[in-house]
Amino acid sequence: ILNVEQSPQSLHVQEGDSTNFTCSFPSSNFYALHWYRWETAKSPEALFVMTLNGDEKKKGRISATLNTKEGYSYLYIKGSQPEDSATYLCALLSSNTGKLIFGQGTTLQVKP
Amino acid sequence: NAGVMQNPRHLVRRRGQEARLRCSPMKGHSHVYWYRQLPEEGLKFMVYLQKENIIDESGMPKERFSAEFPKEGPSILRIQQVVRGDSAAYFCASSGVGDIEAFFGQGTRLTVV
Repeated sequence: ILNVEQSPQSLHVQEGDSTNFTCSFPSSNFYALHWYRWETAKSPEALFVMTLNGDEKKKGRISATLNTKEGYSYLYIKGSQPEDSATYLCALLSSNTGKLIFGQGTTLQVKP
Repeated sequence: NAGVMQNPRHLVRRRGQEARLRCSPMKGHSHVYWYRQLPEEGLKFMVYLQKENIIDESGMPKERFSAEFPKEGPSILRIQQVVRGDSAAYFCASSGVGDIEAFFGQGTRLTVV
């Protein structure tokens, strides 16, 4: 059974703090890793799709790294803002099933 | 190019009725995923379909739930004889052949009263 784990489950930070969270996944059958940002009452919005070991992607203050050999990805947010408050989901695209398996998400709350 | 469209956005059903949730994938996409978000939980995989084929339905409850993605028209998630425990947000996502990126619809919030 493919299991994608995210930690921590929730995080409360002050505006301006930098933060990071983890996504762990089985390294066998890896095809791609997705990060999504999910605000309440909206649909998940794609942030990054990563495929190569050592990949690093950046969008504004948000960046992500990928280690396919050890099976983890980190998402970093530099200088958190209240508008960053959301649930951040990672999802593994498996090479042998072709389906996206999601972690439980990390819910970030940024206090002004 | 419209995004993934789900309808209705909100659906209220009485216990025992049928619920039909529709998902129109992005233009050119032939793969559809359905996910369910129960209260206080994350997204759980239900079923993965390609046009006219169910590829993986390992996340579907064994009874009352079915899904299809016909050659023409939207993908349909059908829940027969709904119970209160079926109340959840149901999301679909679509991708194209060989694509590694999937795009989500806005979801359908089903409430069973």
